[in-house]
Amino acid sequence: DVKVTQSSRYLVKRTGEKVFLECVQDMDHENMFWYRQDPGLGLRLIYFSYDVKMKEKGDIPEGYSVSREKKERFSLILESASTNQTSMYLCASSSLLAGARYNEQFFGPGTRLTVL
Amino acid sequence: AQKVTQAQTEISVVEKEDVTLDCVYETRDTTYYLFWYKQPPSGELVFLIRRNSFDEQNEISGRYSWNFQKSTSSFNFTITASQVVDSAVYFCALSFRRGNTPLVFGKGTRLSVIA
Repeated sequence: DVKVTQSSRYLVKRTGEKVFLECVQDMDHENMFWYRQDPGLGLRLIYFSYDVKMKEKGDIPEGYSVSREKKERFSLILESASTNQTSMYLCASSSLLAGARYNEQFFGPGTRLTVL
Repeated sequence: AQKVTQAQTEISVVEKEDVTLDCVYETRDTTYYLFWYKQPPSGELVFLIRRNSFDEQNEISGRYSWNFQKSTSSFNFTITASQVVDSAVYFCALSFRRGNTPLVFGKGTRLSVIA
């Protein structure tokens, strides 16, 4: 089974800190995604990547950057954390290979980040 | 523009009732995929179903069924004889034929099943 893991389930940081959220998938998926989830707003796409060293902005990229140096790992970086970045962060991956699971996104357990 | 609307923010039902979660989508593409995901209280989104735009056949899986109607751009999800374990947030999502594009999610419907 596909497994997407995120480095932390819960994280507490202070305003101004640099924060790294790590995501690793073990199924050789080409695509990886970072979303944030807030009550009433659903899932909003921050960044995605369809290949190593490639990245595309999503709907809300401001205040975030990403890194994909290896195919299995996609990192989300908060350069200077702010209180309005307190949220649940979800990582996902998907495959471009044709078949029953084409473009199905597999999600990690999420990281609940609190910025004080 | 591509958009998914889940008009029901929260639904509360008593156990064993049937419940339908609505999903309406907008797209100009002729080839696309629709998904439903479940997010239980643990937080991880769980895939339920994928349907492509060429296949309007309804699907049933146990107590779950899906009604896809292109004429009304809807992909509704029905749970028959609901159970407490069905309590979760349910998301409908849309994606396009080109594989390296993200899903567009609705805002979700929170379903509470009361014993």
